[in-house]
Amino acid sequence: DAKTTQPNSMESNEEEPVHLPCNHSTISGTDYIHWYRQLPSQGPEYVIHGLTSNVNNRMASLAIAEDRKSSTLILHRATLRDAAVYYCILRDAGNEKLTFGTGTRLTIIP
Amino acid sequence: DAGITQSPRHKVTETGTPVTLRCHQTENHRYMYWYRQDPGHGLRLIHYSYGVKDTDKGEVSDGYSVSRSKTEDFLLTLESATSSQTSVYFCAISGFGAYEQYFGPGTRLTVT
Repeated sequence: DAKTTQPNSMESNEEEPVHLPCNHSTISGTDYIHWYRQLPSQGPEYVIHGLTSNVNNRMASLAIAEDRKSSTLILHRATLRDAAVYYCILRDAGNEKLTFGTGTRLTIIP
Repeated sequence: DAGITQSPRHKVTETGTPVTLRCHQTENHRYMYWYRQDPGHGLRLIHYSYGVKDTDKGEVSDGYSVSRSKTEDFLLTLESATSSQTSVYFCAISGFGAYEQYFGPGTRLTVT
C-alpha cells in the first residue's frame, strides 16, 4: 500500500482555520485520499475523501495537489470539539481495507 | 450514528484464557472489520469479513480467529490470550461499494 506522511502534532487557535497536510508521493492512479479523525476515547469517524478534484462537505474541505502527491484537510473554523487525531489514508478503488498511519494530533487552543 | 455495538466494553482476563469479543450491527452492511489500537500506533487490521462465513486475514492476524455466522454479528476470538494482546479493539462496518467505514465504540482488553 502507498504510504502517507503527516506531522505528528499541530496546534491551532479556536475559531481559526486549520490546514492539516499529508504527503503521499507514491500514490497510484486508483488511490482515493481518505481522511478520518478520532476523538478522545472514541472510534475513528469518516471526514472526507477525494480522488483528483477538491471536495467540500459539512465537516471539512479537501484540497488535492495537481500532481496528487500531497493533500490538505481544511477545517474552516476550528472548535474545541475538533481536537482529535486526524488520519490521512490512501485507499485503492478496489480495496475495502483501510491502512492507518499514526496521524496528526490536533490541539485546539481556546 | 451507525448501529454498531461492541461487547464487552471492558474486560480484564488472565494470560492463557480464551476471550471472545462481539461486534453487532443493525445496518445490514456487508463488510465487517476488527482492528486493534496500541499506544504509538494507528489502527491495525486484524481480520475482516466480506459476507457471512467469508473472512480474511489482516496485517496482525496471528493469535486471533474470527467467525461470522450471520450478517449482524462478527466475533473475534483470542484462543489463548497473551499480554501482547492487551489493546483497544475496534469493530467497523461498511456497505458494498461504500466509501466510508463506521466504527464502534471500542473494547478495552487487558491481559494480566
